[in-house]
Amino acid sequence: EAGVAQSPRYKIIEKRQSVAFWCNPISGHATLYWYQQILGQGPKLLIQFQNNGVVDDSQLPKDRFSAERLKGVDSTLKIQPAKLEDSAVYLCASSLVRGIFSGNTIYFGEGSWLTVV
Amino acid sequence: DQQVKQNSPSLSVQEGRISILNCDYTNSMFDYFLWYKKYPAEGPTFLISISSIKDKNEDGRFTVFLNKSAKHLSLHIVPSQPGDSAVYFCAASNTDKLIFGTGTRLQVFP
Repeated sequence: EAGVAQSPRYKIIEKRQSVAFWCNPISGHATLYWYQQILGQGPKLLIQFQNNGVVDDSQLPKDRFSAERLKGVDSTLKIQPAKLEDSAVYLCASSLVRGIFSGNTIYFGEGSWLTVV
Repeated sequence: DQQVKQNSPSLSVQEGRISILNCDYTNSMFDYFLWYKKYPAEGPTFLISISSIKDKNEDGRFTVFLNKSAKHLSLHIVPSQPGDSAVYFCAASNTDKLIFGTGTRLQVFP
């Protein structure tokens, strides 16, 4: 079974530029998450989708971050304009259904590493 | 406001001995707890979990203990192996959102 795919793996941009990250979840997984992990910290949820609808985007900096999952499969996370503090790993994850419980594992991709200079 | 805390940033253990990783939480509404393992340049992978109605869950070399009165959980790895060297994240949930700790880097040496 293929895992969660993310691209690009690494990106270096200057501040005020824009960047987009792509995620393809595990086939059949209805729930998709984007997490931000800053060096030395644990992953922090940015946005959660259930199929193509947003469940939780309370911690997404909406003035510069946007995300979509138009057809309920792939998702894109965009940052525009980027700031130095956006340097982090952006992790996409998916689970079969919504909810945290035994048997509904959240699977993470390898992450997209962003450096803003 | 850090609801899940891992106060030890690193731990070094000899191969074959027990590794004990600790995690504290503040929100008594959390009802499910998980441990994730992360190798460099990879995403976190699920390791083991425990429901708040239990106080112990075991899976092979890995055992998670939950002390609800102390709001504390721990992960025991016995025996520790060099391949266990990674960063371990504790996470907690009370809805469908995971709250992660800051991680503990475990190094198992020969």
